[in-house]
Amino acid sequence: RKEVEQDPGPFNVPEGATVAFNCTYSNSASQSFFWYRQDCRKEPKLLMSVYSSGNEDGRFTAQLNRASQYISLLIRDSKLSDSATYLCVVPNAGKSTFGDGTTLTVKP
Amino acid sequence: SQTIHQWPATLVQPVGSPLSLECTVEGTSNPNLYWYRQAAGRGLQLLFYSVGIGQISSEVPQNLSASRPQDRQFILSSKKLLLSDSGFYLCAWSSGQGYSPLHFGNGTRLTVT
Repeated sequence: RKEVEQDPGPFNVPEGATVAFNCTYSNSASQSFFWYRQDCRKEPKLLMSVYSSGNEDGRFTAQLNRASQYISLLIRDSKLSDSATYLCVVPNAGKSTFGDGTTLTVKP
Repeated sequence: SQTIHQWPATLVQPVGSPLSLECTVEGTSNPNLYWYRQAAGRGLQLLFYSVGIGQISSEVPQNLSASRPQDRQFILSSKKLLLSDSGFYLCAWSSGQGYSPLHFGNGTRLTVT
């Protein structure tokens, strides 16, 4: 089993839709989690941090379920500019393990 | 504020040639430093990480090496490039305190021909 697994996607949604991505992790000792956004041929950029049960920032909500060892990212009212690859990241002992990413395409 | 610089942005090198990619961080001290590689259409693979000067941990056996000659400088090298070394190389730093997020440089797109 991979340390971090994500929905492979791709997700193709219309503008205004709500979309959710899941990410499962294997290390039950992990304390914090991150969602990154990566645009095509660019570096990943930090989108949200999740240190407890969840976090909300505008249209974006991240939730953590420690019992089931997964985190989710919910995007409401999708915009064309949300089209990107979303990476789930689990730090552990000074290193960070990245999921392979979920690609989202928002269409007009 | 902290900034990370990585260069060059793009690089085309023949097979068998050497490689040197450099990364520097400003505005912080004693950061954790990382080198990741991303093959086309794939996820990020951790190559090396460093928690201090001269301290390098290798995650994947390969023909690449890393060095940290100064606190905020991280160098990725190879003596002889292979075709399979092509990819998007990303340098990153974190504060090293607890479970802190990574901050990436702009990346170097390497094509080995």
